Amino acid sequence: AQTVTQSQPEMSVQEAETVTLSCTYDTSESDYYLFWYKQPPSRQMILVIRQEAYKQQNATENRFSVNFQKAAKSFSLKISDSQLGDAAMYFCAYINNQGGKLIFGQGTELSVKP
Amino acid sequence: KAGVTQTPRYLIKTRGQQVTLSCSPISGHRSVSWYQQTPGQGLQFLFEYFSETQRNKGNFPGRFSGRQFSNSRSEMNVSTLELGDSALYLCASSLLGIPRNEQFFGPGTRLTVL
Repeated sequence: AQTVTQSQPEMSVQEAETVTLSCTYDTSESDYYLFWYKQPPSRQMILVIRQEAYKQQNATENRFSVNFQKAAKSFSLKISDSQLGDAAMYFCAYINNQGGKLIFGQGTELSVKP
Repeated sequence: KAGVTQTPRYLIKTRGQQVTLSCSPISGHRSVSWYQQTPGQGLQFLFEYFSETQRNKGNFPGRFSGRQFSNSRSEMNVSTLELGDSALYLCASSLLGIPRNEQFFGPGTRLTVL
């Protein structure tokens, strides 16, 4: 069975600084996708960034980038120039190429200090 | 395009009652997945429907059931409610076949069982 692990329950960053959230996963499948979702206090899940396992190039979306290490089964999220609005719970998630079922990590609560 | 909508947003029930939650996917999306979010267990997959058929099922008791209609709207039902069913229930829709299998989430239904 596939599993996703986020080992940092809480993280804190100073405004304008950079922070990295960690995620590891376990799977025997070769074709899959990884995501980072953000859940602010409103509880609305927002997709931050996606990575296709078959792509070696790390995904980037503005201030958000990932470090995808397929052999190590690691998928970390880097947030640059952190803003107060980045404060939220962040979930790492896995889905195989069949789709339909996301497997989530336990989440990392990020606080941003002004 | 309108996003995923869920009704009702909040619900209070007592033990032993049953409840039905509704989810309307993004127009054109035929896959609807349901998740339960609790502080203790995190985000857990309930089931997924595609073209009115249950395609994936999580590890939940038979009290949890769902269905999907021909317009892709989905409902989930929980019978004989227990205190532990208090949770945020999220639904997500996706366009299967699109390589990245992204899921777009609704705002959730907060269920409180007294």
